Amino acid sequence: ETGVTQTPRHLVMGMTNKKSLKCEQHLGHNAMYWYKQSAKKPLELMFVYNFKEQTENNSVPSRFSPECPNSSHLFLHLHTLQPEDSALYLCASSQDQLYEQYFGPGTRLTVT
Amino acid sequence: GIQVEQSPPDLILQEGANSTLRCNFSDSVNNLQWFHQNPWGQLINLFYIPSGTKQNGRLSATTVATERYSLLYISSSQTTDSGVYFCAAVGSGNTGKLIFGQGTTLQVKP
Repeated sequence: ETGVTQTPRHLVMGMTNKKSLKCEQHLGHNAMYWYKQSAKKPLELMFVYNFKEQTENNSVPSRFSPECPNSSHLFLHLHTLQPEDSALYLCASSQDQLYEQYFGPGTRLTVT
Repeated sequence: GIQVEQSPPDLILQEGANSTLRCNFSDSVNNLQWFHQNPWGQLINLFYIPSGTKQNGRLSATTVATERYSLLYISSSQTTDSGVYFCAAVGSGNTGKLIFGQGTTLQVKP
């Protein structure tokens, strides 16, 4: 248990669906992150939020839309995804952007 | 941006053996972490080690920042050590952008 939770743990969605991934951290951290892990590829940073403000968008397609309503919660809204978006989506948090990051268990997403 | 390379990509050990995993990075770092990813995908923090040496049980790590590498030592390996080990770094001048290596897949045989 790292203090970072993610829901759902598994998600199957069609290309026309809209769904959201949720991340919550119970560590009192100020920075939160979304990463994507595809098969045969290293983990890729998608977005960084610091004190609820987005500080990094790593050229992510607009069909992925993040939302950070407060320092404890982070969402990833998904719409019109492609099969190649199937991956493990990991959320992380840290005290601030220079410190150790702690990861949630991930959401395994399959797009059909 | 910073590049992170890990070696070897795959490693097979007999239970009880020792091993060394290496991580090379292309720039000075603000943050360097080692993780173990279990079969369910959870990344488990092993070390936060931008410089120096740390030990935790059978695991230890050393980062030589001036020479841009880090080593993870596993002693007396157990079957539960199997999985993928990742090194990740945040380059100086960057904040929060943790760049991961490709990982080392370790299999410990009984």
